[in-house]
Amino acid sequence: AQSVTQLGSHVSVSEGALVLLRCNYSSSVPPYLFWYVQYPNQGLQLLLKYTSAATLVKGINGFEAEFKKSETSFHLTKPSAHMSDAAEYFCAVSDRGSNYQLIWGAGTKLIIKP
Amino acid sequence: DADVTQTPRNRITKTGKRIMLECSQTKGHDRMYWYRQDPGLGLRLIYYSFDVKDINKGEISDGYSVSRQAQAKFSLSLESAIPNQTALYFCATSDGSRYTGELFFGEGSRLTVL
Repeated sequence: AQSVTQLGSHVSVSEGALVLLRCNYSSSVPPYLFWYVQYPNQGLQLLLKYTSAATLVKGINGFEAEFKKSETSFHLTKPSAHMSDAAEYFCAVSDRGSNYQLIWGAGTKLIIKP
Repeated sequence: DADVTQTPRNRITKTGKRIMLECSQTKGHDRMYWYRQDPGLGLRLIYYSFDVKDINKGEISDGYSVSRQAQAKFSLSLESAIPNQTALYFCATSDGSRYTGELFFGEGSRLTVL
């Protein structure tokens, strides 16, 4: 069965520092991978997605993620954190085996220090 | 106007009361979902529907029921609310013809059961 592991329920970085949020997945067939962001008191919105095109995917607000099949990873990065990036980030995977139902990670809360 | 609208946005009720959360969408998507979000547990699927006549249980359906009144409307009911159903509830939609699993979320309904 598919699964998604997000390392770290909370990640704290200084404003201007690199953001790295980790996501590892398990899937026996080519997956689709997603990062969603949830700002305080809001719903989830799509940040970026991998759907078997380029392995480096660029999303909104300067975020990007790289699909690494050999490492079964889809880590999310941003070169320079901004206070407005403070939010909870969710990684999710879907594939043909799950009938394209999303399997979710537990989420990582990103804290930005001034 | 939002593509996926949830009502009410906030509700406080008492143990044993019947509660209905409503969701409507203007995206024209066939698939609709109800999720529950609890801190540290991520998103858990309650029910999903692939069309008006297709309703499926998710991983935590006990204590909940749903109704798909039309392609655009999907309601979640708690027949007799209990305190551990206090949570943030999300409705989501997806385009079943595109088979990637990408979801579009409403703003959420925060339910408190006293």
